[in-house]
Amino acid sequence: DAGVIQSPRHEVTEMGQEVTLRCKPISGHNSLFWYRQTMMRGLELLIYFNNNVPIDDSGMPEDRFSAKMPNASFSTLKIQPSEPRDSAVYFCASSFSNIQYFGAGTRLSVL
Amino acid sequence: AQSVSQHNHHVILSEAASLELGCNYSYGGTVNLFWYVQYPGQHLQLLLKYFSGDPLVKGIKGFEAEFIKSKFSFNLRKPSVQWSDTAEYFCAVIPTSGTYKYIFGTGTRLKVLA
Repeated sequence: DAGVIQSPRHEVTEMGQEVTLRCKPISGHNSLFWYRQTMMRGLELLIYFNNNVPIDDSGMPEDRFSAKMPNASFSTLKIQPSEPRDSAVYFCASSFSNIQYFGAGTRLSVL
Repeated sequence: AQSVSQHNHHVILSEAASLELGCNYSYGGTVNLFWYVQYPGQHLQLLLKYFSGDPLVKGIKGFEAEFIKSKFSFNLRKPSVQWSDTAEYFCAVIPTSGTYKYIFGTGTRLKVLA
């Protein structure tokens, strides 16, 4: 298995633009997690899904952030409109039997 | 509330020194425990895990951790560190029932001097 696949690896955009981050979990994993990592705030859980259903979105910072998981093999995290303070590395992880496996992350820079 | 504490935020060691990173959690029930490592510029990778059984677990790259239930601790150890162990180390806990969500510690940045 190729592991958790995230795209793009790097994204540079201007303030106000819409940003969509993508994640393909490991086949057979039933939970998917979106994290954000910054120097100031460390690793934060934004939202997680179980069997494609959002279970806990309490970490989503505000309404500009949304996440979907239309099927077991794909999830998106969207920021609209983006702001400079959204600059961070966004990780997706999938899990089976309580073990999480992380993707390589998307480094987002909002200018 | 459930929490995980990593008291050492930054650790600097010389090569061949021994390492112990502390991890304590607060949760009264049964948990699964993990250590993840994040090398500079990379993603988190699983170092080792404890689910049940022998409280001394061995992971990759010579790391081990001991679960002491009475102390709510899961400390990470390595007898002799290498320059390539320079990374950030995260402890994580998940209750065995009711949630799929990890509680992560704030991480410990380890710098190993060659």
